[in-house]
Amino acid sequence: SAVISQKPSRDICQRGTSLTIQCQVDSQVTMMFWYRQQPGQSLTLIATANQGSEATYESGFVIDKFPISRPNLTFSTLTVSNMSPEDSSIYLCSVDEVGGYGYTFGSGTRLTVV
Amino acid sequence: AQTVTQSQPEMSVQEAETVTLSCTYDTSESNYYLFWYKQPPSRQMILVIRQEAYKQQNATENRFSVNFQKAAKSFSLKISDSQLGDTAMYFCAFVGRGSGNTGKLIFGQGTTLQVKP
Repeated sequence: SAVISQKPSRDICQRGTSLTIQCQVDSQVTMMFWYRQQPGQSLTLIATANQGSEATYESGFVIDKFPISRPNLTFSTLTVSNMSPEDSSIYLCSVDEVGGYGYTFGSGTRLTVV
Repeated sequence: AQTVTQSQPEMSVQEAETVTLSCTYDTSESNYYLFWYKQPPSRQMILVIRQEAYKQQNATENRFSVNFQKAAKSFSLKISDSQLGDTAMYFCAFVGRGSGNTGKLIFGQGTTLQVKP
């Protein structure tokens, strides 16, 4: 299965600033997914990122707040912009393995906004 | 719209015993996959087991097995011979595989499992 390197693993940020999270995959994948997991809760999909096209955002998430880049088939970034304490969460990227046989996740970024 | 429901927020089991986690889902699709993921305190999401909807046989992976009841839209996970390392949050997840599907995983609310020594 694919291996995903997600960075940073954790960060503490000041409100009003931005943080960019990176995911690097060791194989080419068509779609990458970005999730938010608030403390003690389930995963909520932020957006789906296809290479060469604009990301598709889920209801409640907007591009100005969570801009995503997908420059090639192995890399993507998610930026959390103008952060507030409510953005404190774990952010995870995921890829759909060939044939949909399973999804692999990055190790997650624990973000704390103070 | 598809939904996934896990009705047990927390469960506990004694080491070496068996525990079953419940999951129900709702969909009108006929082609889909179901998954159980484990998330230990390290927060890494680990695939435990998967089931293709077209397969009648229940999936099994070592100590983990599922009871897939397609008509009832139920997909429970049985953990046998529970070990301390099984302590984690467990998520049931669904993905539609028919035409027009985007490949989005839909997660249940999660069940926190504690294995006691």
